[in-house]
Amino acid sequence: DVKVTQSSRYLVKRTGEKVFLECVQDMDHENMFWYRQDPGLGLRLIYFSYDVKMKEKGDIPEGYSVSREKKERFSLILESASTNQTSMYLCASSLPPGQVSYGYTFGSGTRLTVV
Amino acid sequence: QKEVEQDPGPLSVPEGAIVSLNCTYSNSAFQYFMWYRQYSRKGPELLMYTYSSGNKEDGRFTAQVDKSSKYISLFIRDSQPSDSATYLCAPPHSGNTPLVFGKGTRLSVIA
Repeated sequence: DVKVTQSSRYLVKRTGEKVFLECVQDMDHENMFWYRQDPGLGLRLIYFSYDVKMKEKGDIPEGYSVSREKKERFSLILESASTNQTSMYLCASSLPPGQVSYGYTFGSGTRLTVV
Repeated sequence: QKEVEQDPGPLSVPEGAIVSLNCTYSNSAFQYFMWYRQYSRKGPELLMYTYSSGNKEDGRFTAQVDKSSKYISLFIRDSQPSDSATYLCAPPHSGNTPLVFGKGTRLSVIA
């Protein structure tokens, strides 16, 4: 039935490690997004992409990078993990606005703990 | 002023109650509005969306927009324990720009 798959549900990494979070969607969506969600702060946009090899910074891109080599896959990279990057990470995909099926489809999230 | 404001709750109601969840927004350019529901330890899922006038009903859920006061509401009739979740409003910008989400209201429906 789905849809948006995030590679790990729970992840524990050490400070300074390079961390890869993978997201794959099977709906042929052009748009893909990475958010982090923290109590009291809601969903905050890290990076997004509207096409293969294209990326745009969101509201909080510092300390992160992304890669989109194929349409269905959007990877989030923490270059050097820090404790303040402990969070729930959510990937989403969508068609462009105006499509009948517009609306974000989210993955189940990756709970990352950096120790 | 933030683009979307939402009371975080938590909101606790007895089963069968009518629930009203609300958002205010500041950007008059918002054309339509979405509500997402997020169960604990899951990603948000699209619940319903409505254009910037009138009401939209879907089963026990009704979405309402008041453009004059920049206020959007989600009503849940005959609330059930399975409605216990966090509800996020998301009024999209025009054009292909990312959604802006409210912080979410956490709802608990007690049996």
